[in-house]
Amino acid sequence: SQQGEEDPQALSIQEGENATMNCSYKTSINNLQWYRQNSGRGLVHLILIRSNEREKHSGRLRVTLDTSKKSSSLLITASRAADTASYFCATDATGYGNNRLAFGKGNQVVVIP
Amino acid sequence: EADIYQTPRYLVIGTGKKITLECSQTMGHDKMYWYQQDPGMELHLIHYSYGVNSTEKGDLSSESTVSRIRTEHFPLTLESARPSHTSQYLCASSERRVDAEKLFFGSGTQLSVL
Repeated sequence: SQQGEEDPQALSIQEGENATMNCSYKTSINNLQWYRQNSGRGLVHLILIRSNEREKHSGRLRVTLDTSKKSSSLLITASRAADTASYFCATDATGYGNNRLAFGKGNQVVVIP
Repeated sequence: EADIYQTPRYLVIGTGKKITLECSQTMGHDKMYWYQQDPGMELHLIHYSYGVNSTEKGDLSSESTVSRIRTEHFPLTLESARPSHTSQYLCASSERRVDAEKLFFGSGTQLSVL
C-alpha cells in the first residue's frame, strides 16, 4: 500500500521560527492531507490539498504539492509552543476505489518557548 | 473537537483476557475505522466499515474483530489478549463522500497486555 514518508523525522525549533516538513509518496493521488497529533491523543485534520492544486493556506499553515515529484511540504509560520506535536501526511490514492487514506510515519516537532 | 469517543483511555490487562474497546460517534458518519499505532510510528488500518452490517479487514493483519450493528457504534474485540497486542488503538470516522474525505479521530485507547 502507498504510504507517505515525512522528512525530517524530528525537528526542534525556537518559538517564533518557521517549521518546514516534507512528505513523499509513491503513486498517483486524489488528494493529500496533513494531520496533527498531540502526545497520547488522536489525530486532528489540518489541511487538505487536491491533486490539481499546487498551494494552499490555512491560518499559519501553508501546504504545497508537487505531483511531478510526488512530494508535499507543510510550513508552519511563527511557531508557538502549542505547535509541539507530531505531524502526519496522508494520501488518498487513485485506483483504490474506496478512498482509504495511507498515513506516513510522522514528523515530531518540538517548539521551544 | 470531534464528536467521537473512545473508552477506556488506558487499559492494562493480563494475557488471555477478552477485551472490548469502545468507539462511538455522534456525527452520523457512515464510515468508521480502527487504526493501530506504535509509539513514533505510522498508523496501520486494521478494520473499517462503510455502514451498518458492513465490516472489512484493513491493511495490517489483526487478531481482533469488529461489529457495526448501529451507525454510531464500532467496537473492537480481542478474544484473547497477548503482549504483542500492546499498542495504541485509534478509532476514526468520516462522511461517505465521492470526493475527498476527512477523518475525525477519537483520543485513542492505550492498551498494555502483561
